[in-house]
Amino acid sequence: GQSLEQPSEVTAVEGAIVQINCTYQTSGFYGLSWYQQHDGGAPTFLSYNGLDGLEETGRFSSFLSRSDSYGYLLLQELQMKDSASYFCAVRDGTNAGKSTFGDGTTLTVKP
Amino acid sequence: DGGITQSPKYLFRKEGQNVTLSCEQNLNHDAMYWYRQDPGQGLRLIYYSQIVNDFQKGDIAEGYSVSREKKESFPLTVTSAQKNPTAFYLCASSKTGPWTLHFGNGTRLTVT
Repeated sequence: GQSLEQPSEVTAVEGAIVQINCTYQTSGFYGLSWYQQHDGGAPTFLSYNGLDGLEETGRFSSFLSRSDSYGYLLLQELQMKDSASYFCAVRDGTNAGKSTFGDGTTLTVKP
Repeated sequence: DGGITQSPKYLFRKEGQNVTLSCEQNLNHDAMYWYRQDPGQGLRLIYYSQIVNDFQKGDIAEGYSVSREKKESFPLTVTSAQKNPTAFYLCASSKTGPWTLHFGNGTRLTVT
């Protein structure tokens, strides 16, 4: 099976940088994704890492180390609208269409 | 614009009744999924389908059933056998590779 761990809450101020970590244990691994969900809304895709290293998309970056079963999402120049829940998700190694999600990290951005 | 439509947004049912949640997509995606989300928790996979007329159980399939008769549609039935059906239900779709999930806006089901 799959299990993921990420911090339940993170708080930061506007303009700052925040890192949300995710460690995983899987019976097979195909890739690590990150999704953002505003309160009561639909999750939206942010980033994907299939190989080790850093992926950058605007203010958001994601990192993966497969040897450490670890990844993180880095959010720069935080804005109030970044207040949301962030989920890491791993794709099953034998069935890439099947994703398992962590419990999510609630990010609060303060002025 | 293409997307995923879930209806209704809010649904109320009495205990012991079956209820069907609708999910339609016009993204031409082959794969579709149902996830359940409880307050303060992540998304748990109920069922998924990678092709019409075929579907597989996810991690919490007990008390649920699905059908996939058309590529665009993947309805979920919450049966009376589901012990704690009150939750937020999210439908998603993806292309078969890169498997990025596109979600609908969800249906919030309350059973009393």
